[in-house]
Amino acid sequence: EVQLLESGGGLVQPGGSLRLSCVASGFTFSNYVMAWVRQAPGKGLEWVSTIAHSADSTYYADSVKGRFTISRDNSKNTLYLQMNSLRVEDTAVYYCAKGFESRSYWESWGQGTLVTVSS
Amino acid sequence: EIVLTQSPVTLSLSLGERATLSCRASQSVSSFLAWYQQKPGQAPRLLIYDASNRATGIPARFSGSGSGTDFTLTISSLEPEDFAVYYCHQRSNWPLTFGGGTKVEIK
Repeated sequence: EVQLLESGGGLVQPGGSLRLSCVASGFTFSNYVMAWVRQAPGKGLEWVSTIAHSADSTYYADSVKGRFTISRDNSKNTLYLQMNSLRVEDTAVYYCAKGFESRSYWESWGQGTLVTVSS
Repeated sequence: EIVLTQSPVTLSLSLGERATLSCRASQSVSSFLAWYQQKPGQAPRLLIYDASNRATGIPARFSGSGSGTDFTLTISSLEPEDFAVYYCHQRSNWPLTFGGGTKVEIK
């Protein structure tokens, strides 16, 4: 059974930093593209970032480019999202998601971790 | 950036009725479109990929159609567990984008 377990969320002040982690199990992590998708309270889904299975390619939404960095450690089956220069509008539940085959559709999701940016 | 516009925003229907949800893209996404279902307090679930293919374990009452800029998700006969929010999503171009969602509620 595929499991994705996010951690690292919490309350942070504007301008601060957080690192989210997502530990994967139940599949061969190194074979799959992975992503972070967020959802602000009461709002819709917003794609944040994607990383290729071998980490040789990364992609970002314009809203986070230059502030967030996605990475992965295939030896630890772990996906990361380093978030710097956080803004109030980054407040959201952040989901880790597993790609479907080699495609950037998201077939498995974690339970999400809440990031709150507030003074 | 490709903008996905979903309509209607809210769909009020009764059990057993047919639901038709629309997603329109601001430019062609070919068939690189998916649909997700999200219930309150839960993560999204992939229903349809590449416009018309059901994901593993998805009941046959869910079907997708369309290509280019106009797509439809149809639920042939609503079951109690189908009342939820539905999102379309394109992977044709970076940045990936989602539609704003359609809420299917009980009438």
